[in-house]
Amino acid sequence: KAGVTQTPRYLIKTRGQQVTLSCSPISGHRSVSWYQQTPGQGLQFLFEYFSETQRNKGNFPGRFSGRQFSNSRSEMNVSTLELGDSALYLCASSLNQGAGEQYFGPGTRLTVT
Amino acid sequence: GEDVEQSLFLSVREGDSSVINCTYTDSSSTYLYWYKQEPGAGLQLLTYIFSNMDMKQDQRLTVLLNKKDKHLSLRIADTQTGDSAIYFCAERAAGNKLTFGGGTRVLVKP
Repeated sequence: KAGVTQTPRYLIKTRGQQVTLSCSPISGHRSVSWYQQTPGQGLQFLFEYFSETQRNKGNFPGRFSGRQFSNSRSEMNVSTLELGDSALYLCASSLNQGAGEQYFGPGTRLTVT
Repeated sequence: GEDVEQSLFLSVREGDSSVINCTYTDSSSTYLYWYKQEPGAGLQLLTYIFSNMDMKQDQRLTVLLNKKDKHLSLRIADTQTGDSAIYFCAERAAGNKLTFGGGTRVLVKP
């Protein structure tokens, strides 16, 4: 069974631009969560989607948004990029809400210049 | 609120056992996790424990949970050089949101 896939793996953007990251969960998994990892703040929860609905949201500004499609694939969008948005963005997949196992993808490394 | 704390660094000799410790604050945690991260990679799920258990063993890995003290530990038996990485503990309370500790860097010396 294929693992969690994230595209693109690396991205360089300029301040003020916007970016869309994609996550495909493990086949059959319906819950997708997003995390931001930075050296200063560590791993921080962005949001969680299940059945195309946002179920939980972390403490990030409205520039960070996401959505989930009927095939459970998810995208996250960051508008008006700031230098501080440079991070590794990780997506986690689980069977459903309340499932024990959560598997992470390899991440998308975003650099904002 | 939720807070997860880990020590920053652990050095261990190859073949010895490693013990990584973690404390958390949220008494409503349902699951507690250990993840491994190697340089440039995502998070690899090592093991997890349901909050009503106090121990789980999986090959070289043993997880101990003291719910009264909100203390979680991961023991790696016969530590190998391939075990050098950053280890994160995480708790899950509401929904599928995980709250992570800052990570423990484990260095295995030959």
